[in-house]
Amino acid sequence: DVKVTQSSRYLVKRTGEKVFLECVQDMDHENMFWYRQDPGLGLRLIYFSYDVKMKEKGDIPEGYSVSREKKERFSLILESASTNQTSMYLCASSLGLAGAPPGELFFGEGSRLTVL
Amino acid sequence: GENVGLHLPTLSVQEGDNSIINCAYSNSASDYFIWYKQESGKGPQFIIDIRSNMDKRQGQRVTVLLNKTVKHLSLQIAATQPGDSAVYFCAENIGTGGFKTIFGAGTRLFVKA
Repeated sequence: DVKVTQSSRYLVKRTGEKVFLECVQDMDHENMFWYRQDPGLGLRLIYFSYDVKMKEKGDIPEGYSVSREKKERFSLILESASTNQTSMYLCASSLGLAGAPPGELFFGEGSRLTVL
Repeated sequence: GENVGLHLPTLSVQEGDNSIINCAYSNSASDYFIWYKQESGKGPQFIIDIRSNMDKRQGQRVTVLLNKTVKHLSLQIAATQPGDSAVYFCAENIGTGGFKTIFGAGTRLFVKA
Protein backbone atom coordinates (compact mmCIF):
# COMPACT_ATOMS: atom_id res chain seq x y z
CA ASP A 1 0.00 0.00 0.00
CA VAL A 2 1.06 3.55 -0.65
CA LYS A 3 2.08 5.34 2.47
CA VAL A 4 2.33 9.07 2.77
CA THR A 5 3.70 10.14 6.12
CA GLN A 6 3.50 13.60 7.56
CA SER A 7 5.98 14.10 10.35
CA SER A 8 3.81 16.15 12.70
CA ARG A 9 0.12 15.63 13.39
CA TYR A 10 -0.24 18.69 15.60
CA LEU A 11 1.85 21.84 15.86
CA VAL A 12 1.42 25.06 17.77
CA LYS A 13 3.57 27.98 16.69
CA ARG A 14 3.77 31.68 17.37
CA THR A 15 3.29 34.45 14.85
CA GLY A 16 6.53 35.13 12.98
CA GLU A 17 8.06 31.72 13.58
CA LYS A 18 9.43 29.67 10.72
CA VAL A 19 7.55 26.41 10.31
CA PHE A 20 8.59 23.26 8.48
CA LEU A 21 6.09 20.57 7.54
CA GLU A 22 7.65 17.38 6.27
CA CYS A 23 6.12 14.74 4.04
CA VAL A 24 7.55 11.44 2.87
CA GLN A 25 6.06 8.91 0.44
CA ASP A 26 7.33 5.40 -0.01
CA MET A 27 5.98 4.44 -3.43
CA ASP A 28 8.38 6.21 -5.77
CA HIS A 29 5.68 8.61 -6.93
CA GLU A 30 6.67 11.38 -9.28
CA ASN A 31 4.18 13.99 -8.10
CA MET A 32 3.75 15.48 -4.67
CA PHE A 33 1.36 18.11 -3.43
CA TRP A 34 0.59 20.32 -0.47
CA TYR A 35 -3.00 21.30 0.24
CA ARG A 36 -4.60 23.18 3.05
CA GLN A 37 -8.04 22.26 4.25
CA ASP A 38 -10.40 24.73 5.88
CA PRO A 39 -14.07 24.21 6.82
CA GLY A 40 -16.40 25.03 3.97
CA LEU A 41 -13.56 25.64 1.54
CA GLY A 42 -12.53 22.11 0.75
CA LEU A 43 -8.92 21.47 -0.18
CA ARG A 44 -6.90 24.21 -1.81
CA LEU A 45 -3.62 23.56 -3.58
CA ILE A 46 -0.63 25.45 -2.24
CA TYR A 47 2.27 23.98 -4.23
CA PHE A 48 3.06 20.87 -6.16
CA SER A 49 6.13 19.18 -7.57
CA TYR A 50 6.35 16.78 -10.50
CA ASP A 51 10.04 16.01 -10.18
CA VAL A 52 12.97 16.42 -7.85
CA LYS A 53 13.92 20.09 -7.45
CA MET A 54 10.90 21.11 -9.51
CA LYS A 55 8.02 23.05 -8.00
CA GLU A 56 4.96 24.82 -9.24
CA LYS A 57 2.63 27.26 -7.53
CA GLY A 58 -0.87 26.12 -6.83
CA ASP A 59 -3.85 28.35 -6.14
CA ILE A 60 -2.73 29.86 -2.82
CA PRO A 61 1.09 29.95 -2.69
CA GLU A 62 1.43 33.27 -0.89
CA GLY A 63 3.23 32.95 2.42
CA TYR A 64 4.53 29.47 1.61
CA SER A 65 7.53 27.88 -0.05
CA VAL A 66 8.46 24.27 -0.73
CA SER A 67 11.51 22.10 -1.13
CA ARG A 68 11.97 18.81 -2.92
CA GLU A 69 15.57 17.72 -2.71
CA LYS A 70 14.76 14.02 -2.87
CA LYS A 71 12.02 12.23 -4.75
CA GLU A 72 10.36 10.83 -1.66
CA ARG A 73 10.33 14.02 0.41
CA PHE A 74 8.38 17.22 -0.05
CA SER A 75 8.59 19.96 2.56
CA LEU A 76 6.30 22.91 3.09
CA ILE A 77 7.82 26.00 4.67
CA LEU A 78 6.10 28.92 6.29
CA GLU A 79 8.81 31.59 6.43
CA SER A 80 6.95 33.73 8.95
CA ALA A 81 3.82 32.11 10.27
CA SER A 82 0.68 34.19 10.60
CA THR A 83 -2.61 33.47 12.33
CA ASN A 84 -4.43 33.11 9.01
CA GLN A 85 -2.23 30.12 8.28
CA THR A 86 -3.88 28.17 11.07
CA SER A 87 -5.24 25.21 9.19
CA MET A 88 -5.04 21.52 8.40
CA TYR A 89 -2.24 20.81 5.94
CA LEU A 90 -2.45 17.73 3.75
CA CYS A 91 0.35 16.24 1.74
CA ALA A 92 -0.43 13.98 -1.21
CA SER A 93 1.38 12.08 -3.91
CA SER A 94 0.44 10.57 -7.23
CA LEU A 95 2.17 8.22 -9.59
CA GLY A 96 2.47 10.44 -12.63
CA LEU A 97 1.43 10.31 -16.26
CA ALA A 98 1.85 6.57 -16.66
CA GLY A 99 0.48 3.81 -14.49
CA ALA A 100 -2.36 4.76 -12.15
CA PRO A 101 -5.28 6.82 -13.50
CA PRO A 102 -4.34 10.45 -13.74
CA GLY A 103 -5.28 12.45 -10.74
CA GLU A 104 -5.64 9.75 -8.10
CA LEU A 105 -4.05 11.26 -5.04
CA PHE A 106 -2.77 9.42 -1.99
CA PHE A 107 -2.97 11.56 1.11
CA GLY A 108 -1.20 11.67 4.41
CA GLU A 109 -3.18 12.02 7.62
CA GLY A 110 -2.65 15.73 7.86
CA SER A 111 -0.82 18.20 10.06
CA ARG A 112 -2.96 20.52 12.10
CA LEU A 113 -1.13 23.81 12.59
CA THR A 114 -2.24 26.45 15.05
CA VAL A 115 -0.53 29.83 14.89
CA LEU A 116 -1.01 31.97 17.99
CA GLY B 1 -13.63 31.49 -11.55
CA GLU B 2 -14.31 27.87 -12.23
CA ASN B 3 -14.86 25.63 -9.26
CA VAL B 4 -16.44 22.46 -8.09
CA GLY B 5 -19.34 22.87 -5.72
CA LEU B 6 -21.82 20.76 -3.83
CA HIS B 7 -25.57 21.08 -3.54
CA LEU B 8 -25.80 20.07 0.12
CA PRO B 9 -23.28 20.48 2.93
CA THR B 10 -24.78 17.65 5.06
CA LEU B 11 -26.77 14.54 4.39
CA SER B 12 -28.40 12.28 6.94
CA VAL B 13 -29.60 8.79 5.97
CA GLN B 14 -30.91 5.75 7.73
CA GLU B 15 -28.68 2.72 7.89
CA GLY B 16 -29.52 0.41 5.04
CA ASP B 17 -30.91 3.15 2.80
CA ASN B 18 -29.20 4.38 -0.33
CA SER B 19 -27.32 7.67 -0.23
CA ILE B 20 -26.92 10.13 -3.06
CA ILE B 21 -24.34 12.87 -2.84
CA ASN B 22 -24.42 15.51 -5.54
CA CYS B 23 -21.81 17.77 -7.04
CA ALA B 24 -21.87 20.52 -9.65
CA TYR B 25 -18.83 21.45 -11.64
CA SER B 26 -18.31 24.35 -13.97
CA ASN B 27 -15.09 23.63 -15.82
CA SER B 28 -15.97 22.24 -19.23
CA ALA B 29 -12.30 21.35 -19.81
CA SER B 30 -12.29 18.81 -16.97
CA ASP B 31 -11.86 15.28 -18.25
CA TYR B 32 -11.53 13.24 -15.10
CA PHE B 33 -13.57 13.23 -11.90
CA ILE B 34 -12.92 11.60 -8.58
CA TRP B 35 -14.78 11.04 -5.34
CA TYR B 36 -12.84 10.98 -2.10
CA LYS B 37 -13.94 9.95 1.37
CA GLN B 38 -12.46 11.56 4.44
CA GLU B 39 -13.02 10.00 7.83
CA SER B 40 -12.42 11.93 11.00
CA GLY B 41 -8.73 12.42 11.71
CA LYS B 42 -7.60 10.98 8.40
CA GLY B 43 -6.65 12.23 4.99
CA PRO B 44 -9.02 11.81 2.04
CA GLN B 45 -9.11 8.40 0.40
CA PHE B 46 -9.95 7.61 -3.19
CA ILE B 47 -13.34 5.94 -3.68
CA ILE B 48 -14.10 5.90 -7.36
CA ASP B 49 -13.32 7.84 -10.49
CA ILE B 50 -14.85 8.43 -13.89
CA ARG B 51 -13.55 9.82 -17.14
CA SER B 52 -15.46 12.31 -19.21
CA ASN B 53 -16.13 9.77 -21.98
CA MET B 54 -18.29 7.75 -19.58
CA ASP B 55 -21.58 8.54 -17.87
CA LYS B 56 -21.65 5.80 -15.26
CA ARG B 57 -19.18 3.69 -13.36
CA GLN B 58 -19.82 1.17 -10.64
CA GLY B 59 -17.69 -0.05 -7.80
CA GLN B 60 -18.42 -2.06 -4.73
CA ARG B 61 -21.64 -0.51 -3.32
CA VAL B 62 -20.80 2.79 -5.00
CA THR B 63 -21.81 4.22 -8.35
CA VAL B 64 -20.71 7.48 -9.88
CA LEU B 65 -22.88 9.20 -12.47
CA LEU B 66 -21.68 11.94 -14.74
CA ASN B 67 -24.01 14.24 -16.65
CA LYS B 68 -21.89 16.46 -18.84
CA THR B 69 -24.89 18.27 -20.28
CA VAL B 70 -25.68 19.89 -16.94
CA LYS B 71 -22.19 19.48 -15.49
CA HIS B 72 -23.35 17.32 -12.62
CA LEU B 73 -21.67 14.50 -10.78
CA SER B 74 -23.21 12.23 -8.19
CA LEU B 75 -22.08 9.48 -5.87
CA GLN B 76 -24.55 6.78 -4.94
CA ILE B 77 -23.87 4.52 -1.99
CA ALA B 78 -26.03 1.42 -1.75
CA ALA B 79 -27.16 0.03 1.61
CA THR B 80 -25.43 2.75 3.58
CA GLN B 81 -23.57 1.54 6.64
CA PRO B 82 -22.33 3.35 9.77
CA GLY B 83 -18.80 3.06 8.40
CA ASP B 84 -19.84 5.25 5.50
CA SER B 85 -20.18 8.24 7.81
CA ALA B 86 -17.56 10.71 6.57
CA VAL B 87 -17.06 13.81 4.49
CA TYR B 88 -17.22 13.17 0.76
CA PHE B 89 -15.41 15.36 -1.73
CA CYS B 90 -15.89 15.49 -5.43
CA ALA B 91 -12.87 16.58 -7.40
CA GLU B 92 -12.13 17.34 -10.99
CA ASN B 93 -8.93 17.13 -12.94
CA ILE B 94 -7.88 19.60 -15.55
CA GLY B 95 -5.30 18.04 -17.79
CA THR B 96 -3.33 14.87 -17.35
CA GLY B 97 -1.01 13.72 -14.62
CA GLY B 98 -3.08 14.94 -11.70
CA PHE B 99 -1.36 18.30 -11.58
CA LYS B 100 -4.51 20.32 -11.17
CA THR B 101 -7.14 18.73 -9.00
CA ILE B 102 -9.91 21.03 -7.81
CA PHE B 103 -11.93 19.92 -4.81
CA GLY B 104 -15.44 20.79 -3.83
CA ALA B 105 -16.28 21.98 -0.33
CA GLY B 106 -17.42 18.52 0.80
CA THR B 107 -20.63 16.89 2.02
CA ARG B 108 -20.83 15.36 5.46
CA LEU B 109 -22.75 12.11 5.48
CA PHE B 110 -24.38 11.01 8.74
CA VAL B 111 -25.67 7.47 8.96
CA LYS B 112 -28.36 6.90 11.56
CA ALA B 113 -28.56 3.46 13.12
